[in-house]
Amino acid sequence: GENVEQHPSTLSVQEGDSAVIKCTYSDSASNYFPWYKQELGKGPQLIIDIRSNVGEKKDQRIAVTLNKTAKHFSLHITETQPEDSAVYFCAASPLGGNQFYFGTGTSLTVIP
Amino acid sequence: DAGVIQSPRHEVTEMGQEVTLRCKPISGHNSLFWYRQTMMRGLELLIYFNNNVPIDDSGMPEDRFSAKMPNASFSTLKIQPSEPRDSAVYFCASSFYLAEHSPLHFGNGTRLTVT
Repeated sequence: GENVEQHPSTLSVQEGDSAVIKCTYSDSASNYFPWYKQELGKGPQLIIDIRSNVGEKKDQRIAVTLNKTAKHFSLHITETQPEDSAVYFCAASPLGGNQFYFGTGTSLTVIP
Repeated sequence: DAGVIQSPRHEVTEMGQEVTLRCKPISGHNSLFWYRQTMMRGLELLIYFNNNVPIDDSGMPEDRFSAKMPNASFSTLKIQPSEPRDSAVYFCASSFYLAEHSPLHFGNGTRLTVT
């Protein structure tokens, strides 16, 4: 089955700096890669997703890149703000399936 | 839309007791997932349903766990008997899956503590 690895497990940045979280996957059949943000006491919420026919996608301060050849994808947050502090999860889902395989999460702290 | 609704938000019970967690998916969604989240193991998929039918329950830890989806708007996850190692946050999520992926929408979870 699919194996998703996520790094780093914790990340601290100064407010205004950029944050980058990286994930790798093992199954070349995976073609959908969502990113979730989980705040304390809440469930994970989708913040951005990318499909395998696209190399990059942006939404304001958030961007995701995908390298299918290397089987890795990354989340980029620019101009970080304290409210970006949360746990972020990457996930991969294979073509034709409805299963989602999650990374182990990155705890991001933005220092004011 | 109210989103995925889970109840209760918190459950504290003694070892050996039966626990029932409840989930109401987003109206119109046809897939429902139960996840367990712990510090040690992260987010684990327990079981998922498509059109109320269980598709993959290979993540259910053991026979003490069971899940049902009697209709499109309700699902339960039952643990009987409960054990301290079942303590975790249990999430329900739903999606509308057809031919192309759609994202999961999570509820806010049930924090289960078994003493």
